[in-house]
Amino acid sequence: QSALTQPASVSGSPGQSITISCTGTSSDVGSYNLVSWYQQHPGKAPKLMIYEVSKRPSGVSNRFSGSKSGNTASLTISGLQAEDEADYYCCSYEGRKVFGTGTKVTVL
Amino acid sequence: EVQLVESGGGLVKPGGSLRLSCAASGFTFSNAWMNWVRQAPGKGLEWVGRIKRKTDGGTTDYAAPVKGRFTISRDDSKNTLYLQMNSLKTEDTAVYYCTTVIVGATTYEDYWGQGTLVTVSS
Repeated sequence: QSALTQPASVSGSPGQSITISCTGTSSDVGSYNLVSWYQQHPGKAPKLMIYEVSKRPSGVSNRFSGSKSGNTASLTISGLQAEDEADYYCCSYEGRKVFGTGTKVTVL
Repeated sequence: EVQLVESGGGLVKPGGSLRLSCAASGFTFSNAWMNWVRQAPGKGLEWVGRIKRKTDGGTTDYAAPVKGRFTISRDDSKNTLYLQMNSLKTEDTAVYYCTTVIVGATTYEDYWGQGTLVTVSS
């Protein structure tokens, strides 16, 4: 199973909104509403930001939202803040987990 | 407080073996499906494998790159997860994390350990 495809980098200015895409296939992203998103700061363990495509765990800011259309899932960060600068990974987790290639978010 | 603490990482030669442990606390370990995820230096996350809880059969599943070389097991009496790694290759060099999800009636909590570094080099 190949890694899900994400853009290598996305950037935005403070206060702006950005969207990160995650493209899979009809066998993973397209088949199930089991897509999650992780945020990872350097040297830290990943932190879950979104699960089941669009649900937020307790404590995660509502500036983070998720969606899916066909074989592509998306993470939108609105009101971009300096602390959002990190790597982001999508994950399809029905059965075997498959992670995305990762996206570096830069706050300009 | 939920804690996952990995140990056992280190430097090993290609072809060698290593066993990682993950000590769990703060939740009912025997009820949990547990995963290992790794991250090579400067690279992305890669799922290694999973073990189900015994009431779901206790079965394991592995990613293609490690299948036949790595074995996941658990000791519910010790609240500990293991990853036995054999025939190690240089490309297995990574930080290895144990992870789990705890789903409650109204909660969904995802936990990761701090990771343990495995370096495969001659």
